[in-house]
Amino acid sequence: KQEVTQIPAALSVPEGENLVLNCSFTDSAIYNLQWFRQDPGKGLTSLLLIQSSQREQTSGRLNASLDKSSGRSTLYIAASQPGDSATYLCASNNAGNMLTFGGGTRLMVKP
Amino acid sequence: GAVVSQHPSWVICKSGTSVKIECRSLDFQATTMFWYRQFPKQSLMLMATSNEGSKATYEQGVEKDKFLINHASLTLSTLTVTSAHPEDSSFYICSAARRGPGSALFFGSGTQLSVL
Repeated sequence: KQEVTQIPAALSVPEGENLVLNCSFTDSAIYNLQWFRQDPGKGLTSLLLIQSSQREQTSGRLNASLDKSSGRSTLYIAASQPGDSATYLCASNNAGNMLTFGGGTRLMVKP
Repeated sequence: GAVVSQHPSWVICKSGTSVKIECRSLDFQATTMFWYRQFPKQSLMLMATSNEGSKATYEQGVEKDKFLINHASLTLSTLTVTSAHPEDSSFYICSAARRGPGSALFFGSGTQLSVL
């Protein structure tokens, strides 16, 4: 059974810093890996999706990488802003679109 | 992008009542929808997979008689929490996929259920 782990669980940084969120998974037989953002009490916003054949995806200040062989994905946020404060979740899609979520990283960017 | 609408956004009910949550894919057909539950400060856990025209598939530990799922059309799935109790208080989120396996999933905005 797939297990997804996110490190760190919480992160607090000053505005402007570049930061990396880590996601690891135990079963490398994935269709894709997706990163989401969740604001308190809100649903999920899809940030980036990396197909199993891809190595990385970029959107604005966000860059996500995928290394299937090592079971890792990272989300890189450049020049962080207070508006980036949220919980970031990674999820692997192993079969039939059923996602397995990591525990999330709660990010706080201080002005 | 694809839009998934979930309603209601929040509901407060008395213990013993039933609550229905709707999940609609607004601009695409979804043969499969998924229901997740999230307790405070925890990640999302898959509850069940909803298949249009057939019975839902429930994850281990999820009571199918308590969490009734109906996927009557290609754009609508409903989750009914029957005889809700305070321990059912949680954040419920649905998702739908536009195409086959491996496609991006789109999520509803979630429903916060509080059972008094």
